[in-house]
Amino acid sequence: DAKTTQPPSMDCAEGRAANLPCNHSTISGNEYVYWYRQIHSQGPQYIIHGLKNNETNEMASLIITEDRKSSTLILPHATLRDTAVYYCIVSLYNQGGKLIFGQGTELSVKP
Amino acid sequence: DTGVSQNPRHKITKRGQNVTFRCDPISEHNRLYWYRQTLGQGPEFLTYFQNEAQLEKSRLLSDRFSAERPKGSFSTLEIQRTEQGDSAMYLCASSSPRALNTEAFFGQGTRLTVV
Repeated sequence: DAKTTQPPSMDCAEGRAANLPCNHSTISGNEYVYWYRQIHSQGPQYIIHGLKNNETNEMASLIITEDRKSSTLILPHATLRDTAVYYCIVSLYNQGGKLIFGQGTELSVKP
Repeated sequence: DTGVSQNPRHKITKRGQNVTFRCDPISEHNRLYWYRQTLGQGPEFLTYFQNEAQLEKSRLLSDRFSAERPKGSFSTLEIQRTEQGDSAMYLCASSSPRALNTEAFFGQGTRLTVV
């Protein structure tokens, strides 16, 4: 079973920041938090991952709480093309592509 | 390199027939994964290979399913005696443990419809 809990859906206005929460209260010390997204009819796409420090790349920022029991993915300026299902996954670093997906959050970016 | 390639993209088959899907991973990625995704659900892990060795199989992978990666490059997933419940998107992913990031790269998937 997935070790994360996410809201099933969220809306965001185009150009605004999208903040997607994830709870992972049972995360162990050597597990990372990964985020993937899946645009309709495509394969999942890696976004970002982190262990305990906040991370930023060209796509998004990842904020992990100090106790590591929750995290937030931030898309700073959402566009219509960011409409997708976003999955938060906890996984051991060397597991690579062995991922246990939950239901994810369906993000709708509206004009 | 154009990423992970899966063929065919769509397959319609009659119940009871056998089907085979192919996945070509990113070159030099030694890990290859198969997932199944049904409508409205997240992908479910089926199996994975490191080079040509199949290291793990999910209990979801019934005896009618078999996967191979004979030379450690491309992989095939075969479903024998298909059932309507096999209708799903079959996704392939690859990763390299030698890379700084061990994220997985997914293909576009093969959508199977069993009629």
